[in-house]
Amino acid sequence: DGGITQSPKYLFRKEGQNVTLSCEQNLNHDAMYWYRQDPGQGLRLIYYSQIVNDFQKGDIAEGYSVSREKKESFPLTVTSAQKNPTAFYLCASSIVTGLYGTQYFGPGTRLTVL
Amino acid sequence: AQKITQTQPGMFVQEKEAVTLDCTYDTSDQSYGLFWYKQPSSGEMIFLIYQGSYDEQNATEGRYSLNFQKARKSANLVISASQLGDSAMYFCAMRVPGTYKYIFGTGTRLKVLA
Repeated sequence: DGGITQSPKYLFRKEGQNVTLSCEQNLNHDAMYWYRQDPGQGLRLIYYSQIVNDFQKGDIAEGYSVSREKKESFPLTVTSAQKNPTAFYLCASSIVTGLYGTQYFGPGTRLTVL
Repeated sequence: AQKITQTQPGMFVQEKEAVTLDCTYDTSDQSYGLFWYKQPSSGEMIFLIYQGSYDEQNATEGRYSLNFQKARKSANLVISASQLGDSAMYFCAMRVPGTYKYIFGTGTRLKVLA
């Protein structure tokens, strides 16, 4: 079955540590995205990538980094520079061609900083 | 700049009744796509329905339909015959024309009552 997987589902981190969230898709989509969601809030774009080896900052990129070495994978690293990283993180992908590509989401990772 | 507005933070509906969730959008582009997503308590964002700006008919997917009024810039989601499993957050979204970015509204929390 085609889809997007994120791991781990829950992640706990001590202050000052970097942590990497995994996102893999087998939908053959070119574009991939990372969003952050705080309790009761909407989605905020962290980074997105339209093609391998290229990515762009979203609205809240500070304290985060990404890589896109393979089409299927778009890992997100939450660095110690992110002052308030406790949140729910969602990965998504979409097709690039055409105007109206639907965006599909993974199940999410809940990150808690202890 | 593009914007999505959802003015209903929370809604209640009786089981088996229909409910309309409001969404208005702001864009100066003529070509765009609008989406609705459901987010249950598990957190995953589930794609429900899509409407293109040039589509002549309102989109329908099972019990979901989209009341698209282009002149009013509204794209309301109608859920018919509500079920208890419809209780969730609902987000309206738009792909920013000319980009691969998507913007989301703040969401509406729907509670279906037995």
